[in-house]
Amino acid sequence: NAGVTQTPKFRVLKTGQSMTLLCAQDMNHEYMYWYRQDPGMGLRLIHYSVGEGTTAKGEVPDGYNVSRLKKQNFLLGLESAAPSQTSVYFCASSYSGQPRKQFFGPGTRLTVL
Amino acid sequence: ILNVEQSPQSLHVQEGDSTNFTCSFPSSNFYALHWYRWETAKSPEALFVMTLNGDEKKKGRISATLNTKEGYSYLYIKGSQPEDSATYLCAPADFNKFYFGSGTKLNVKP
Repeated sequence: NAGVTQTPKFRVLKTGQSMTLLCAQDMNHEYMYWYRQDPGMGLRLIHYSVGEGTTAKGEVPDGYNVSRLKKQNFLLGLESAAPSQTSVYFCASSYSGQPRKQFFGPGTRLTVL
Repeated sequence: ILNVEQSPQSLHVQEGDSTNFTCSFPSSNFYALHWYRWETAKSPEALFVMTLNGDEKKKGRISATLNTKEGYSYLYIKGSQPEDSATYLCAPADFNKFYFGSGTKLNVKP
């Protein structure tokens, strides 16, 4: 039981490049989330999904796209990376019942030059 | 978007001291209040979830209380140990989303 995993762990991009971050969970959770964490700020929600094939915007969605084609995977895409997207990205998942408890992945550290 | 405030931002205590932190949040559209513990270079881990006004939770030396009417939660650590050093996040939640505060960073000196 791996829990929540994230790929890659680290990445350096140049401005304008694109990339996809992969989050996978093996707990059969319905809900999945992408957050970014910046110094001095809390975890900010980028996008989330309440089930396979569904996605919704969070607090800071601009510049990101997501897809949930399979229940166990949640992909976060950056189409044209900007230095402002330099951050640590965390994925989380939770079951659908209330109150929900989120389980977090190890994070991906992304630097955009 | 909920405005979540945690205080203090950081705290330095000696081993054996007891300490407490505050989480303040707007009390409308509220489903639950979560506390997470986040150690450096690791992922946040759930500590407590509380839903009802007056809820109290305890795990070892750590406990938490919730006041939904006035919109705050306290986290207490009794007899702090160096292994308690971490950032403690609170997150009020509505039906779908969590709203994380920026955390209280606790450093316990031996």
